[in-house]
Amino acid sequence: AQSVTQPDIHITVSEGASLELRCNYSYGATPYLFWYVQSPGQGLQLLLKYFSGDTLVQGIKGFEAEFKRSQSSFNLRKPSVHWSDAAEYFCAVGSYSGGGADGLTFGKGTHLIIQP
Amino acid sequence: DAGVTQSPTHLIKTRGQQVTLRCSPISGHKSVSWYQQVLGQGPQFIFQYYEKEERGRGNFPDRFSARQFPNYSSELNVNALLLGDSALYLCASSSLQGLGANVLTFGAGSRLTVL
Repeated sequence: AQSVTQPDIHITVSEGASLELRCNYSYGATPYLFWYVQSPGQGLQLLLKYFSGDTLVQGIKGFEAEFKRSQSSFNLRKPSVHWSDAAEYFCAVGSYSGGGADGLTFGKGTHLIIQP
Repeated sequence: DAGVTQSPTHLIKTRGQQVTLRCSPISGHKSVSWYQQVLGQGPQFIFQYYEKEERGRGNFPDRFSARQFPNYSSELNVNALLLGDSALYLCASSSLQGLGANVLTFGAGSRLTVL
């Protein structure tokens, strides 16, 4: 069965500093990987996805993520965070059907706090 | 274009009652999925429907059921509510254009509190 681990429950970053959120997955084949962001009381917004090809993917809001098969990781990065980036971030892995019949498996999330 | 819309946004029920949650997908999307997000956790997959047929089911008891209508909207029903059913219920739609292209767009959710 597929699984996702986000080792950091909370991360605090100063505004303007760089950010890296960690994600490790377990899946028997080539995974479909996603990062979603959730603001308080809101649904999930897709930041970026990896299906195949270039292992460095660009997303919205200046985020990027790198797929490393050897490390089973898909870490999210941003060079300079803004106060509006404070939110809950979820990494997810999809089955070959891309999150269809088997659904997406989400990690428990990382809560990002931005210090002024 | 309107996004995924869910109703109601908040509701309170008591143990043993039944609840129905509703979801309208993005226009043109034929697939609807339901997820349960307990406070402090990531969403968990409950169901996926495509073209009015159940295509996938997560590890949830039979108290949970769903259906999809000809206009692709969907309802999630939960019977005999337990305190542990308190959660944010998220609906997501997708166009299901092909293998690997199933990007989900989520609604804002329905917050269910069971007392």
